[in-house]
Amino acid sequence: GAGVSQSPSNKVTEKGKDVELRCDPISGHTALYWYRQSLGQGLEFLIYFQGNSAPDKSGLPSDRFSAERTGESVSTLTIQRTQQEDSAVYLCASSFRQGPYEQYFGPGTRLTVT
Amino acid sequence: SQKIEQNSEALNIQEGKTATLTCNYTNYSPAYLQWYRQDPGRGPVFLLLIRENEKEKRKERLKVTFDTTLKQSLFHITASQPADSATYLCALPSSGGYQKVTFGTGTKLQVIP
Repeated sequence: GAGVSQSPSNKVTEKGKDVELRCDPISGHTALYWYRQSLGQGLEFLIYFQGNSAPDKSGLPSDRFSAERTGESVSTLTIQRTQQEDSAVYLCASSFRQGPYEQYFGPGTRLTVT
Repeated sequence: SQKIEQNSEALNIQEGKTATLTCNYTNYSPAYLQWYRQDPGRGPVFLLLIRENEKEKRKERLKVTFDTTLKQSLFHITASQPADSATYLCALPSSGGYQKVTFGTGTKLQVIP
């Protein structure tokens, strides 16, 4: 079946512009996660959606970052007034509600802020 | 605070040998621990999960151990192949959540033919 898809695969934007990154999780996966990975660094948790529960936004680095999810499907991560330090690969993952909670990752969106 | 440590230095190993990667953690009492593989330019891929009441888990050439007393997991790849070259990440459930995990920074493995 189809895996997690993300779009765009690459995004170059000017400092100060807003960007929207999209994630299509695997059908039936109730949990959806956004991570950020800077060059040579580990995965930094951003936000977690689980079904209809309130999202866990504890990883969002500033109020310029926000994310939405429509039911148990598509999610959009929005970064407003982008800064050069926002340049990174943004990864989305989804998983079933029940264990073993393995996360299925998308290919990522590489964001470059010039 | 909770901390996950993986050897940040790359591990170089000869083809055919067993590679052993370490994941140490502090200030956690994890119910389980996961291992993922990440290739350059790709998202991580889940490999194995081991629960707190399991000492060892195997999958083909992979073996994971989990010592909750030492607060350590070991990840072994036997008969390593150049195709095993990748970065390997461990992940533990974050405090306050069972499903949400925190990832270690990973160890890069290079298998030399």
